[in-house]
Amino acid sequence: DAGVIQSPRHEVTEMGQEVTLRCKPISGHDYLFWYRQTMMRGLELLIYFNNNVPIDDSGMPEDRFSAKMPNASFSTLKIQPSEPRDSAVYFCAISGGPYEQYFGPGTRLTVT
Amino acid sequence: AQTVTQSQPEMSVQEAETVTLSCTYDTSESDYYLFWYKQPPSRQMILVIRQEAYKQQNATENRFSVNFQKAAKSFSLKISDSQLGDAAMYFCAYTNYGGSQGNLIFGKGTKLSVKP
Repeated sequence: DAGVIQSPRHEVTEMGQEVTLRCKPISGHDYLFWYRQTMMRGLELLIYFNNNVPIDDSGMPEDRFSAKMPNASFSTLKIQPSEPRDSAVYFCAISGGPYEQYFGPGTRLTVT
Repeated sequence: AQTVTQSQPEMSVQEAETVTLSCTYDTSESDYYLFWYKQPPSRQMILVIRQEAYKQQNATENRFSVNFQKAAKSFSLKISDSQLGDAAMYFCAYTNYGGSQGNLIFGKGTKLSVKP
């Protein structure tokens, strides 16, 4: 366990609402990643940061998604407005060694 | 673009027996890393084992070992003495060496069941 806390663990919201997912690494790292997991598409990289700077956001599905990393110990992924197709498990991961990534427990998002 | 293929959607093994999960990948790179991740019903993604492409020796972690065939672009996972706690989804993953650390590419996964 490389030490990544995600909150909330479960989120149920109505279409059109804003959703904010949180990630708190509790161990040293240089990189932070946001993934989305669905049955249809599997695990997809959405965005990743290096030293708090966004490096590649090409996986972010559309402008409704945004991510920030104000400091080394905190990152957010925001969806505004949310849609039912955003329902998925969202993972935050950090790099703990040479190209290894360690994942948080994930947030299960359901948009009704 | 690199791809990772896991051709076995589901596998089953008897407790204490050995099972092998298959993974193939496609890349034009010569230096890269390969991983196996385990995802139990709790959905936590757990790193099981890592293989560097420049190493000829197959990686081993306790009951878990890999068969890395670079020319064939094959990377299978062998689980020996299977335990009930090994039941999970297993994902094979690839990333380039020397580039960004963001391009971890996953296969679709293999669901492993362990029968008592």
